[in-house]
Amino acid sequence: GAVVSQHPSRVICKSGTSVKIECRSLDFQATTMFWYRQFPKQSLMLMATSNEGSKATYEQGVEKDKFLINHASLTLSTLTVTSAHPEDSSFYICSARGLNERGSDTQYFGPGTRLTVL
Amino acid sequence: AQTVTQSQPEMSVQEAETVTLSCTYDTSENNYYLFWYKQPPSRQMILVIRQEAYKQQNATENRFSVNFQKAAKSFSLKISDSQLGDTAMYFCAFLNTNAGKSTFGDGTTLTVKP
Repeated sequence: GAVVSQHPSRVICKSGTSVKIECRSLDFQATTMFWYRQFPKQSLMLMATSNEGSKATYEQGVEKDKFLINHASLTLSTLTVTSAHPEDSSFYICSARGLNERGSDTQYFGPGTRLTVL
Repeated sequence: AQTVTQSQPEMSVQEAETVTLSCTYDTSENNYYLFWYKQPPSRQMILVIRQEAYKQQNATENRFSVNFQKAAKSFSLKISDSQLGDTAMYFCAFLNTNAGKSTFGDGTTLTVKP
């Protein structure tokens, strides 16, 4: 099946610093990439949707200046948490939409990044 | 807007037995996909099974099968011969092909007991 990588898997940073998370689709070209945030034992909360070469579309309540998304190519999207604060600590998951081996539209997920802001 | 409802926050099943997880959704769209994802303690989201709305035949993947009732907007997951490795949180998801983004249910935590 399709593989989506995410780097780093976990990061600990000091309050006020910026953190960049990379998401790559390894064996397919992703038409769209998504960024989610997940709190323990809760569902995925969509933060933004990005298409290659265009600005990301943010969900209501998500600060676009806080969470910068760049979709540089069909295989790479980055999420930068700017001036991180302890309340930004969470599990961030990226996802890429592409075609599976049968040519069917499917959404694949990265392994997630655990961000801890001290 | 689409909504996805998983009415069972937690479920348990004995190893080797069968369990069914329920999911209902609400949409006015006609073209969409439905998915079940598994999230084990590692937190990696794993695709379990998918269903195209235009297909009447229920999808099956080995021990996993769905009961897709389009008119009732129901999409339940049946796990046969449950294994300890099936212990995880399961999410039902709806993909709106026009809007291009998924809506997830709140999840069902499944525990398979030995």
